[in-house]
Amino acid sequence: SAVISQKPSRDICQRGTSLTIQCQVDSQVTMMFWYRQQPGQSLTLIATANQGSEATYESGFVIDKFPISRPNLTFSTLTVSNMSPEDSSIYLCSVGGGTYEQYFGPGTRLTVT
Amino acid sequence: GESVGLHLPTLSVQEGDNSIINCAYSNSASDYFIWYKQESGKGPQFIIDIRSNMDKRQGQRVTVLLNKTVKHLSLQIAATQPGDSAVYFCAENWGGGADGLTFGKGTHLIIQP
Repeated sequence: SAVISQKPSRDICQRGTSLTIQCQVDSQVTMMFWYRQQPGQSLTLIATANQGSEATYESGFVIDKFPISRPNLTFSTLTVSNMSPEDSSIYLCSVGGGTYEQYFGPGTRLTVT
Repeated sequence: GESVGLHLPTLSVQEGDNSIINCAYSNSASDYFIWYKQESGKGPQFIIDIRSNMDKRQGQRVTVLLNKTVKHLSLQIAATQPGDSAVYFCAENWGGGADGLTFGKGTHLIIQP
């Protein structure tokens, strides 16, 4: 499976600010995904990010709040904009494994004060 | 969309016993299922997967069973070890790999010495 890294691993941010999370993969992948995991909860898909096209967002998530970039086949960013305490979560990227399986990065733990 | 759910939020087992974690899914169109293990402070780790054209798949100490008639998925862990303590999530995919995953609520597996 691919090795996935995320930066930063954690951050504490003030409300109203924005944070950009980076996801780096050690091999080229077609499919990349971003998930949110609120405290004590399961994972929820935010969007699918494919290189060369606009990200596809799930219901309840909008581009203005969570802009995503996918400049090449090994890298993606997710920005959490105009943050509020409700945005405190773990943000995870995952990559497609070739068919159906997905592999996850270690996550970015965000606390908004 | 339709959801994947789990019957029990916490499961406590004796070390050395077998563990069975259950999951109910509601989308009959789902064609792929994955079990993940998430340890504290880490991203989800792929354990085992199964396609809808199968009813059983075995890995190292783990077995996944799929009952499409009642839309039920289970993960069996043989000879449970302290390192198996984690939260386990089932996830489903019906997009042929192009879509993200829908996750269940998670079961916290606790190993008693």
